[in-house]
Amino acid sequence: DAKTTQPTSMDCAEGRAANLPCNHSTISGNEYVYWYRQIHSQGPQYIIHGLKNNETNEMASLIITEDRKSSTLILPHATLRDTAVYYCIVESNDYKLSFGAGTTVTVRA
Amino acid sequence: NAGVTQTPKFRVLKTGQSMTLLCAQDMNHEYMYWYRQDPGMGLRLIHYSVGEGTTAKGEVPDGYNVSRLKKQNFLLGLESAAPSQTSVYFCATLSDRGTYEQYFGPGTRLTVT
Repeated sequence: DAKTTQPTSMDCAEGRAANLPCNHSTISGNEYVYWYRQIHSQGPQYIIHGLKNNETNEMASLIITEDRKSSTLILPHATLRDTAVYYCIVESNDYKLSFGAGTTVTVRA
Repeated sequence: NAGVTQTPKFRVLKTGQSMTLLCAQDMNHEYMYWYRQDPGMGLRLIHYSVGEGTTAKGEVPDGYNVSRLKKQNFLLGLESAAPSQTSVYFCATLSDRGTYEQYFGPGTRLTVT
């Protein structure tokens, strides 16, 4: 599976959009981009996934570049409860997730 | 529904002792996974199962064994615990191929002294 590169940490103001970048330049055609988050040592929580097209659900939006070498997770209106470690994962169709260190997002009031 | 539960929540072992971690799910999911998470690190896959009676190795399987005798349970065994196995262990489930959301349990915090 392709490796991903994410910033170590980022801050966001409450109520503003949080844009989390992820670089996956070696992604192959059958690999999906997944985003999970982990709030304070709890089990990770699925957020969203995509292959080629942009995706949106009740939690977030996922923007994937046309060449698929990078993506951005957007939390449209960040709240204090969104403070967490966010993991960008690229995985082929065998469902074995490989978590890196992720981005620690701190939402500030 | 309880979802994914893990037993025990906490455990302290001495080096060389053995123990079994239990993961139970009531969602009738086919796939089950065991991950470990060391402090400040991401999760790493230990073993997984694609259905009752099956198991397979993940990224870091050494020192662990697993069994999936019943669809709803996935057991992780440490035969001779070592301090390097001090970690938080997470179990996860996945419904089947074609779905993408893994459901995680609350974790088991294991310390080996």
